[in-house]
Amino acid sequence: EVQLVESGGGLVKPGGSLTLSCGVSGFTFTTYAMNWVRQAPGKGLEWVSYISSSSSFIHYADSVRGRFTISRDNTKNSLLLQMNSLRDEDTGIYYCARDFSSSWRPSMLDYWGRGILVTVSS
Amino acid sequence: EIVLTQSPGTLSLSPGERATLSCRANQSIKSGYLAWYQHIPGQAPRLLIYGASTRATGIPDRFSGGGSGTDFTLTISRLEPEDFAVYYCQQYGTSPRLTFGGGTKVEIK
Repeated sequence: EVQLVESGGGLVKPGGSLTLSCGVSGFTFTTYAMNWVRQAPGKGLEWVSYISSSSSFIHYADSVRGRFTISRDNTKNSLLLQMNSLRDEDTGIYYCARDFSSSWRPSMLDYWGRGILVTVSS
Repeated sequence: EIVLTQSPGTLSLSPGERATLSCRANQSIKSGYLAWYQHIPGQAPRLLIYGASTRATGIPDRFSGGGSGTDFTLTISRLEPEDFAVYYCQQYGTSPRLTFGGGTKVEIK
Protein backbone atom coordinates (compact mmCIF):
# COMPACT_ATOMS: atom_id res chain seq x y z
CA GLU A 1 0.00 0.00 0.00
CA VAL A 2 1.32 3.41 -0.99
CA GLN A 3 1.70 5.70 2.02
CA LEU A 4 2.96 9.27 2.36
CA VAL A 5 3.23 10.83 5.81
CA GLU A 6 4.14 14.47 6.38
CA SER A 7 5.82 15.73 9.54
CA GLY A 8 7.59 18.79 10.90
CA GLY A 9 4.77 21.29 10.90
CA GLY A 10 3.92 23.68 13.69
CA LEU A 11 3.81 27.30 14.78
CA VAL A 12 6.55 29.66 13.63
CA LYS A 13 6.95 33.43 13.74
CA PRO A 14 7.04 35.56 10.59
CA GLY A 15 10.55 35.55 9.19
CA GLY A 16 11.27 32.18 10.77
CA SER A 17 12.17 28.84 9.27
CA LEU A 18 10.71 25.35 9.26
CA THR A 19 11.56 22.08 7.53
CA LEU A 20 8.84 19.66 6.47
CA SER A 21 9.48 15.98 5.83
CA CYS A 22 7.49 13.39 3.94
CA GLY A 23 8.23 9.73 4.56
CA VAL A 24 7.03 7.30 1.92
CA SER A 25 6.49 3.57 1.70
CA GLY A 26 4.81 1.03 -0.55
CA PHE A 27 6.58 2.04 -3.77
CA THR A 28 10.06 2.51 -5.20
CA PHE A 29 10.75 6.10 -4.17
CA THR A 30 13.77 6.49 -6.43
CA THR A 31 11.70 6.13 -9.60
CA TYR A 32 9.10 8.80 -8.89
CA ALA A 33 9.10 12.58 -8.97
CA MET A 34 7.46 14.29 -6.01
CA ASN A 35 5.60 17.51 -5.25
CA TRP A 36 4.49 19.73 -2.41
CA VAL A 37 1.02 21.28 -2.53
CA ARG A 38 -0.55 23.54 0.10
CA GLN A 39 -3.97 24.78 1.13
CA ALA A 40 -4.46 28.05 2.97
CA PRO A 41 -7.35 28.20 5.47
CA GLY A 42 -10.65 28.36 3.58
CA LYS A 43 -8.88 28.35 0.22
CA GLY A 44 -8.20 25.88 -2.56
CA LEU A 45 -5.13 23.87 -3.46
CA GLU A 46 -1.92 25.62 -4.52
CA TRP A 47 1.04 23.80 -6.04
CA VAL A 48 4.31 24.70 -4.30
CA SER A 49 7.23 22.73 -5.70
CA TYR A 50 8.40 19.74 -7.77
CA ILE A 51 11.51 17.56 -7.75
CA SER A 52 12.32 14.88 -10.30
CA SER A 53 13.31 11.36 -9.27
CA SER A 54 17.05 12.07 -9.48
CA SER A 55 16.76 15.69 -8.29
CA SER A 56 17.92 16.86 -11.73
CA PHE A 57 14.84 19.03 -12.28
CA ILE A 58 13.35 21.30 -9.62
CA HIS A 59 10.55 23.85 -10.01
CA TYR A 60 8.85 26.30 -7.67
CA ALA A 61 5.75 28.42 -7.59
CA ASP A 62 6.53 32.13 -7.93
CA SER A 63 5.12 32.70 -4.44
CA VAL A 64 7.85 30.62 -2.76
CA ARG A 65 10.83 30.82 -5.14
CA GLY A 66 13.94 32.04 -3.34
CA ARG A 67 12.49 31.21 0.10
CA PHE A 68 11.68 27.47 -0.10
CA THR A 69 13.99 24.63 -1.07
CA ILE A 70 12.80 21.18 -2.04
CA SER A 71 15.10 18.18 -1.75
CA ARG A 72 14.97 14.44 -1.37
CA ASP A 73 17.02 11.72 0.27
CA ASN A 74 16.60 8.61 -1.84
CA THR A 75 18.50 6.53 0.71
CA LYS A 76 15.90 7.33 3.37
CA ASN A 77 12.77 7.42 1.16
CA SER A 78 12.23 10.98 2.29
CA LEU A 79 11.10 14.25 0.69
CA LEU A 80 11.96 17.56 2.34
CA LEU A 81 10.81 21.17 2.11
CA GLN A 82 13.04 23.77 3.75
CA MET A 83 10.98 26.94 4.30
CA ASN A 84 12.75 30.19 5.12
CA SER A 85 11.59 33.80 5.54
CA LEU A 86 8.10 32.56 6.32
CA ARG A 87 5.15 34.92 5.92
CA ASP A 88 1.63 34.96 7.29
CA GLU A 89 0.35 33.88 3.88
CA ASP A 90 2.40 30.67 4.04
CA THR A 91 0.00 29.41 6.71
CA GLY A 92 -1.85 26.30 5.66
CA ILE A 93 -1.88 22.55 5.31
CA TYR A 94 1.07 21.20 3.33
CA TYR A 95 0.68 17.97 1.37
CA CYS A 96 3.32 15.85 -0.28
CA ALA A 97 2.17 14.11 -3.42
CA ARG A 98 3.64 11.56 -5.79
CA ASP A 99 3.90 12.50 -9.44
CA PHE A 100 2.29 10.06 -11.88
CA SER A 101 4.89 10.38 -14.60
CA SER A 102 8.68 10.45 -14.81
CA SER A 103 9.53 13.62 -16.64
CA TRP A 104 11.27 16.96 -16.29
CA ARG A 105 8.13 18.73 -15.06
CA PRO A 106 5.14 17.96 -12.85
CA SER A 107 2.03 16.23 -14.15
CA MET A 108 -0.90 14.70 -12.28
CA LEU A 109 -0.52 13.65 -8.66
CA ASP A 110 -1.64 10.09 -8.02
CA TYR A 111 -1.01 9.67 -4.29
CA TRP A 112 -1.13 12.25 -1.53
CA GLY A 113 -0.45 12.40 2.17
CA ARG A 114 -2.99 13.66 4.70
CA GLY A 115 -1.07 16.88 5.15
CA ILE A 116 0.61 18.77 7.97
CA LEU A 117 -0.37 22.14 9.39
CA VAL A 118 2.02 25.08 9.26
CA THR A 119 1.00 28.23 11.11
CA VAL A 120 2.95 31.44 10.65
CA SER A 121 1.94 33.94 13.30
CA SER A 122 3.47 36.28 15.84
CA GLU B 1 -0.11 31.29 -16.78
CA ILE B 2 -3.18 29.14 -17.26
CA VAL B 3 -6.02 30.14 -14.93
CA LEU B 4 -8.74 27.57 -14.23
CA THR B 5 -12.23 28.72 -13.23
CA GLN B 6 -14.55 26.14 -11.71
CA SER B 7 -18.32 26.46 -11.54
CA PRO B 8 -20.52 26.39 -9.70
CA GLY B 9 -18.80 27.17 -6.41
CA THR B 10 -21.27 24.98 -4.57
CA LEU B 11 -23.62 22.30 -5.86
CA SER B 12 -26.46 21.18 -3.57
CA LEU B 13 -27.80 17.78 -4.59
CA SER B 14 -29.38 14.66 -3.11
CA PRO B 15 -27.90 11.15 -3.15
CA GLY B 16 -28.77 9.43 -6.41
CA GLU B 17 -28.78 12.66 -8.41
CA ARG B 18 -26.39 13.53 -11.22
CA ALA B 19 -23.65 16.11 -10.67
CA THR B 20 -22.04 18.09 -13.47
CA LEU B 21 -19.01 20.20 -12.61
CA SER B 22 -17.34 22.65 -14.96
CA CYS B 23 -13.72 23.72 -15.33
CA ARG B 24 -12.85 26.47 -17.80
CA ALA B 25 -9.32 27.57 -18.75
CA ASN B 26 -8.28 31.01 -19.99
CA GLN B 27 -6.25 29.36 -22.76
CA SER B 28 -6.25 26.01 -24.47
CA ILE B 29 -4.81 23.16 -22.42
CA LYS B 30 -2.31 21.19 -24.44
CA SER B 31 -3.26 17.59 -25.25
CA GLY B 32 -6.06 17.55 -22.69
CA TYR B 33 -3.61 17.55 -19.79
CA LEU B 34 -6.37 18.11 -17.27
CA ALA B 35 -6.94 16.17 -14.04
CA TRP B 36 -9.71 16.08 -11.44
CA TYR B 37 -9.33 15.42 -7.72
CA GLN B 38 -11.72 14.71 -4.88
CA HIS B 39 -10.92 16.16 -1.47
CA ILE B 40 -12.70 15.41 1.76
CA PRO B 41 -11.37 17.75 4.49
CA GLY B 42 -9.02 15.92 6.83
CA GLN B 43 -8.22 13.30 4.24
CA ALA B 44 -5.69 13.02 1.45
CA PRO B 45 -6.89 14.35 -1.90
CA ARG B 46 -7.64 11.59 -4.40
CA LEU B 47 -6.90 11.56 -8.13
CA LEU B 48 -10.08 10.76 -10.05
CA ILE B 49 -9.44 11.59 -13.70
CA TYR B 50 -6.38 12.43 -15.80
CA GLY B 51 -5.91 13.19 -19.47
CA ALA B 52 -9.33 14.85 -19.23
CA SER B 53 -11.22 11.55 -19.44
CA THR B 54 -9.18 8.60 -18.12
CA ARG B 55 -10.26 7.25 -14.75
CA ALA B 56 -7.46 6.66 -12.26
CA THR B 57 -6.94 3.22 -10.76
CA GLY B 58 -9.82 2.10 -8.57
CA ILE B 59 -12.16 4.99 -9.42
CA PRO B 60 -15.79 3.88 -9.88
CA ASP B 61 -17.31 4.26 -13.33
CA ARG B 62 -19.95 6.67 -12.05
CA PHE B 63 -17.17 9.28 -12.37
CA SER B 64 -16.48 10.47 -15.90
CA GLY B 65 -14.53 13.32 -17.41
CA GLY B 66 -14.83 15.06 -20.72
CA GLY B 67 -13.99 18.13 -22.71
CA SER B 68 -11.05 19.60 -24.58
CA GLY B 69 -9.38 22.89 -25.35
CA THR B 70 -10.64 25.29 -22.71
CA ASP B 71 -13.81 23.58 -21.43
CA PHE B 72 -13.87 20.46 -19.29
CA THR B 73 -16.47 18.67 -17.19
CA LEU B 74 -16.57 16.12 -14.42
CA THR B 75 -19.79 14.14 -14.17
CA ILE B 76 -20.89 11.94 -11.29
CA SER B 77 -23.76 9.90 -12.70
CA ARG B 78 -25.44 9.00 -9.39
CA LEU B 79 -24.20 10.55 -6.19
CA GLU B 80 -23.28 8.18 -3.38
CA PRO B 81 -23.01 9.43 0.24
CA GLU B 82 -19.21 9.24 0.06
CA ASP B 83 -19.13 11.54 -3.00
CA PHE B 84 -20.01 14.69 -1.07
CA ALA B 85 -16.71 16.52 -1.10
CA VAL B 86 -14.76 19.31 -2.79
CA TYR B 87 -13.60 18.71 -6.36
CA TYR B 88 -10.65 20.40 -8.03
CA CYS B 89 -9.47 20.48 -11.60
CA GLN B 90 -5.75 20.85 -12.33
CA GLN B 91 -3.80 21.44 -15.52
CA TYR B 92 -0.35 20.09 -16.35
CA GLY B 93 -0.19 20.94 -20.03
CA THR B 94 2.20 23.85 -20.26
CA SER B 95 4.93 25.42 -18.19
CA PRO B 96 6.66 23.56 -15.38
CA ARG B 97 4.06 24.83 -12.92
CA LEU B 98 0.78 23.22 -11.99
CA THR B 99 -2.37 25.23 -11.46
CA PHE B 100 -5.59 24.21 -9.75
CA GLY B 101 -9.08 25.56 -10.09
CA GLY B 102 -10.78 27.13 -7.10
CA GLY B 103 -12.87 24.03 -6.39
CA THR B 104 -16.53 23.03 -6.43
CA LYS B 105 -18.11 21.85 -3.21
CA VAL B 106 -20.75 19.16 -3.69
CA GLU B 107 -22.99 19.23 -0.62
CA ILE B 108 -26.03 17.30 0.49
CA LYS B 109 -29.26 19.10 -0.25
